[in-house]
Amino acid sequence: SQELEQSPQSLIVQEGKNLTINCTSSKTLYGLYWYKQKYGEGLIFLMMLQKGGEEKSHEKITAKLDEKKQQSSLHITASQPSHAGIYLCGGSRGGADGLTFGKGTHLIIQP
Amino acid sequence: DVKVTQSSRYLVKRTGEKVFLECVQDMDHENMFWYRQDPGLGLRLIYFSYDVKMKEKGDIPEGYSVSREKKERFSLILESASTNQTSMYLCASRYSGFVAGANVLTFGAGSRLTVL
Repeated sequence: SQELEQSPQSLIVQEGKNLTINCTSSKTLYGLYWYKQKYGEGLIFLMMLQKGGEEKSHEKITAKLDEKKQQSSLHITASQPSHAGIYLCGGSRGGADGLTFGKGTHLIIQP
Repeated sequence: DVKVTQSSRYLVKRTGEKVFLECVQDMDHENMFWYRQDPGLGLRLIYFSYDVKMKEKGDIPEGYSVSREKKERFSLILESASTNQTSMYLCASRYSGFVAGANVLTFGAGSRLTVL
């Protein structure tokens, strides 16, 4: 089965600094989805990448998918307290049976 | 925006009780999913449904069953709750058509279940 490894598991960053979260798949991805979760709540969709080499940005968050479609990164520029939470990558299994998720990266922003 | 509503945010049940977790979505999505989320294990798929009356086992179906009698509602049932089913349960739905960006899962706020 497809597995997604996220790194780092946790990250403490000073406010205003940049950071990167990585997601690696054991198999080629049909689609890669980034979600954010506030503690104790549901997942909020951030971005979806489908093509090798694709890059998308929204506000201060940029996500990239490598050419082989097995690695993705999420980069946050000039971090803010509102960026704190758990970031999860999800990979499409290629069918109708939902997504497989990484275990998440806990992001803490220090003032 | 699609809204996925989980009826209970917090539940406390006793071992052996029958537990129903309800999920309703308001955008006519065909596909619905139940995940559980545990520290160190991430999200794991319990059951999913392609459409009304249809259900498929996910990665960890043991101890659970589901019901999808209406398109908008997907229920997760714990026939006899056990302490190892204490977890955060997340429901999600998705449009099944082949439209760019259509297969984004939309999640509910989650139901935190504690089994004593």
